[in-house]
Amino acid sequence: LAKTTQPISMDSYEGQEVNITCSHNNIATNDYITWYQQFPSQGPRFIIQGYKTKVTNEVASLFIPADRKSSTLSLPRVSLSDTAVYYCLVGGPNTGFQKLVFGTGTRLLVSP
Amino acid sequence: SAVISQKPSRDICQRGTSLTIQCQVDSQVTMMFWYRQQPGQSLTLIATANQGSEATYESGFVIDKFPISRPNLTFSTLTVSNMSPEDSSIYLCSGMVPPGELFFGEGSRLTVL
Repeated sequence: LAKTTQPISMDSYEGQEVNITCSHNNIATNDYITWYQQFPSQGPRFIIQGYKTKVTNEVASLFIPADRKSSTLSLPRVSLSDTAVYYCLVGGPNTGFQKLVFGTGTRLLVSP
Repeated sequence: SAVISQKPSRDICQRGTSLTIQCQVDSQVTMMFWYRQQPGQSLTLIATANQGSEATYESGFVIDKFPISRPNLTFSTLTVSNMSPEDSSIYLCSGMVPPGELFFGEGSRLTVL
């Protein structure tokens, strides 16, 4: 199983760019990398998913180096509403996407 | 995408009783999972709900304590049996759409007295 490691917490201010890095040293060839956001009293919500290089959507970018042993979620110009816990998960079709295990997550606090 | 509905959203139960949580998905998902989350903690995978067959349980979770059913592609139930205060937690249902995106319900907050 590809285990993930993230910083426990991060602090930022409104308007800044936030980069959260996740290590997944034993990622398998066919594994995807997916990031989720969770607010209190809610289930996690999908943010972005990628396999290699860079993926961008309307809320975030995901950078994946060539060796794919880590990934970085980039949140441009964060606001107070981005205060949440962010999880990265690794999984792929070889494992039937089973055992999508959540790590500790990164608790992001955005201050005014 | 998928919308997942869970009920009950919360409940307070007495020790020794059982509670069944229902999970309904609005579209067909390839896989369904049940997670548990203690306040302030990460999610712990309980089991994978398999359609028409026994669920696949993670280490530390057993069928007698957490029986799971999935009679069709869009519905699953999790029962927390013979509850104790240690079972107080948030239970989350999740469905997966390829190539691996998980959708979650809002969770069922269980308090056992």
